[in-house]
Amino acid sequence: GESVGLHLPTLSVQEGDNSIINCAYSNSASDYFIWYKQESGKGPQFIIDIRSNMDKRQGQRVTVLLNKTVKHLSLQIAATQPGDSAVYFCAVGGATNKLIFGTGTLLAVQP
Amino acid sequence: NAGVMQNPRHLVRRRGQEARLRCSPMKGHSHVYWYRQLPEEGLKFMVYLQKENIIDESGMPKERFSAEFPKEGPSILRIQQVVRGDSAAYFCASSPLSPGSSYNEQFFGPGTRLTVL
Repeated sequence: GESVGLHLPTLSVQEGDNSIINCAYSNSASDYFIWYKQESGKGPQFIIDIRSNMDKRQGQRVTVLLNKTVKHLSLQIAATQPGDSAVYFCAVGGATNKLIFGTGTLLAVQP
Repeated sequence: NAGVMQNPRHLVRRRGQEARLRCSPMKGHSHVYWYRQLPEEGLKFMVYLQKENIIDESGMPKERFSAEFPKEGPSILRIQQVVRGDSAAYFCASSPLSPGSSYNEQFFGPGTRLTVL
């Protein structure tokens, strides 16, 4: 079955620096990928998504890169701010639209 | 437009009791998903429902757990005879369109944190 994992459980960055959070997935047939942000005590919040027919997609201060050859997904956050501190999850869309989540990376932004 | 609503936000039960978790999807959404999150872990899919139909329950434990999404009212996740291992955060998400469409975004509620004593 599908599995999704993250390379780093925690990431500490200085305010203003760029952050990169990585994710690996196992099913080469996966075609929908999403990044969520989860703050303490809250539900996941959609950040950005990408489909397998793309390798890059940009939002406001965020960029998602997809490398299907090595089944790797990354989230880049530009000019990281204290409000970006949270746990970030990658997720893969399954056949019935269920989401398969990775274990999460805690992003800690140092002022 | 209110987001996904879940209640209660916190629920405490003793072993053997029943837990009922409610989820009201966003207005206009007819697809509901339930996920469970253990501390410091990612969310695990449990069940996907449409109005009056269970579409995918591949993540539901075989016993004690059930879910419904009636024609009227919220979706209910029911856990009978709770055990300590059921302690977790349970999240509901809703989606506006069917799988296979070009837009699959799921909107999550704030979750119900279940504690079993």
